[in-house]
Amino acid sequence: KAGVTQTPRYLIKTRGQQVTLSCSPISGHRSVSWYQQTPGQGLQFLFEYFSETQRNKGNFPGRFSGRQFSNSRSEMNVSTLELGDSALYLCASSLWDRVYYEQYFGPGTRLTVT
Amino acid sequence: TQLLEQSPQFLSIQEGENLTVYCNSSSVFSSLQWYRQEPGEGPVLLVTVVTGGEVKKLKRLTFQFGDARKDSSLHITAAQPGDTGLYLCAGKQGGKLIFGQGTELSVKP
Repeated sequence: KAGVTQTPRYLIKTRGQQVTLSCSPISGHRSVSWYQQTPGQGLQFLFEYFSETQRNKGNFPGRFSGRQFSNSRSEMNVSTLELGDSALYLCASSLWDRVYYEQYFGPGTRLTVT
Repeated sequence: TQLLEQSPQFLSIQEGENLTVYCNSSSVFSSLQWYRQEPGEGPVLLVTVVTGGEVKKLKRLTFQFGDARKDSSLHITAAQPGDTGLYLCAGKQGGKLIFGQGTELSVKP
């Protein structure tokens, strides 16, 4: 079974620009979560989608948004990029399970904002 | 304030040594997970512990969930250079997965 894929793997953008990242979950997984990872803050939850609906959202400004398509693929968008948005953005997919909630991560997209 | 506190943050040991990483919280979790992340890659799930007092073994790795389901530990026996990486504990709170800050482990040959 193929794992979670994310595109692109690396991205360099300028302050003020916007960016869209893509994630394809493991086949059969309907839940997709996004995380931001930085050396200072660690792994922080951005949002989760299930069956095209945002189910949970972390404490990030409205510049961060996402969506999920009917085939479970997901995109996240960051508008008006700031230097502090430089991070590794990770996507994870899972089967919906109340207790186990196991996440399977993609390799991430390394975003650098200059 | 971190909901999940991991200690130590950094650990550098020689091949063959044993080590323990701790994950503590003041909150109760229905389950806790441990992940390992290598540079440039996403975290990989190692184990999920669900029952208070539960002990799970994965080759040389032993995971324990505290009786009160507020803490967990990861013990590695006879560490090898291939164990090098960032070890993360995570638990579900408020509908989302919360991660500890991680323990950076370096095993030198």
